[in-house]
Amino acid sequence: GAVVSQHPSWVICKSGTSVKIECRSLDFQATTMFWYRQFPKQSLMLMATSNEGSKATYEQGVEKDKFLINHASLTLSTLTVTSAHPEDSSFYICSARSSGGAGVKTQYFGPGTRLLVL
Amino acid sequence: AQSVTQPDIHITVSEGASLELRCNYSYGATPYLFWYVQSPGQGLQLLLKYFSGDTLVQGIKGFEAEFKRSQSSFNLRKPSVHWSDAAEYFCAVAPDTGRRALTFGSGTRLQVQP
Repeated sequence: GAVVSQHPSWVICKSGTSVKIECRSLDFQATTMFWYRQFPKQSLMLMATSNEGSKATYEQGVEKDKFLINHASLTLSTLTVTSAHPEDSSFYICSARSSGGAGVKTQYFGPGTRLLVL
Repeated sequence: AQSVTQPDIHITVSEGASLELRCNYSYGATPYLFWYVQSPGQGLQLLLKYFSGDTLVQGIKGFEAEFKRSQSSFNLRKPSVHWSDAAEYFCAVAPDTGRRALTFGSGTRLQVQP
């Protein structure tokens, strides 16, 4: 149980285009999902907290108009990188926190999405 | 704010040898502590977690970790390393509310020599 999927796993796009990344909790409901970013050989840095039915909370330095987050249901959050540029190339990982039960305090991570902007 | 320090960036051990990866945290209260493993190009897999109770926790793949409040540490150990354990290991901490995102350490890359 507690599986989180991400789609796509790989995306290559041209500079100036927008890219949407989906994060799904497959076998549990997640009122809260988190989006992280990881540069090569570095740790994960939190970008934003996504709450179902409300606006996302962004970390300092993360442009909310560039990284649009939507958490429309208890099992799906999306991250849209708008007008992507080469510096946005990174590994994006989402995590989901179970809404209740024994897993309420544990976050489960998706496999990540590697974005390359040319 | 909480923080996590993993002092060892890179560790190399021989297959079959024991392993200890260090993790120190800074937080005012007892945090929730986690160890994750990440293979190249992959997401994170939870190895083990500590919330309360027994300070020695057992995880998957033969890993264990010990919470030492006096040292603010949560070191990961494995008695005998396998070649498949080569990966990046991240220690992480969450506030005791459990409702916020994790703060990750910088990671330790484990290399296993045959």
